[in-house]
Amino acid sequence: GNSVTQMEGPVTLSEEAFLTINCTYTATGYPSLFWYVQYPGEGLQLLLKATKADDKGSNKGFEATYRKETTSFHLEKGSVQVSDSAVYFCALSDEAGAQKLVFGQGTRLTINP
Amino acid sequence: EAQVTQNPRYLITVTGKKLTVTCSQNMNHEYMSWYRQDPGLGLRQIYYSMNVEVTDKGDVPEGYKVSRKEKRNFPLILESPSPNQTSLYFCASSFLGTGVNEQFFGPGTRLTVL
Repeated sequence: GNSVTQMEGPVTLSEEAFLTINCTYTATGYPSLFWYVQYPGEGLQLLLKATKADDKGSNKGFEATYRKETTSFHLEKGSVQVSDSAVYFCALSDEAGAQKLVFGQGTRLTINP
Repeated sequence: EAQVTQNPRYLITVTGKKLTVTCSQNMNHEYMSWYRQDPGLGLRQIYYSMNVEVTDKGDVPEGYKVSRKEKRNFPLILESPSPNQTSLYFCASSFLGTGVNEQFFGPGTRLTVL
């Protein structure tokens, strides 16, 4: 079945550092890919998405490119802020039921001032 | 304000005592879903509903029931909770249509079963 694997956390960085959170997937067909963010005590919010190969999703300074050849969707940000501290989830849509999301295990990110 | 609400936010109960977690959305979404979040496992889908009176199992449905009598509400029922159902639960909703639509998540319900 479809699956998503994220880099193990937790990840701790200093403010203004460069961020990469790796995400690879296994899927049949052509899923859509997502990054969701969960701030402390809150539900998940969609951060960005890409629906086909080579698409780049971007939002709030974060970017991720849908790489079909490497089955990856790595999340990057050039200069992180303390307010970016959260748990980040990579996910893909299950084509069998287009709204169903298959999530990675989540990566906790802490940014120190 | 467009939102998904869940109640209660926190619940501690004992094995075997039936409970219901409510979920309501005010966006007229057709699709609603329940997930559980466990450390190291991410979120896993429990049940989903494509519309009123249409529900189906997700990946981990054992021990749970749902109903969809109204479009806005999608309660999760644990008839006889067990300690392995201790988890953080999220309700989500979205429109159905062409392509994949953004899912909106509730704030979560932290359940502890003793």
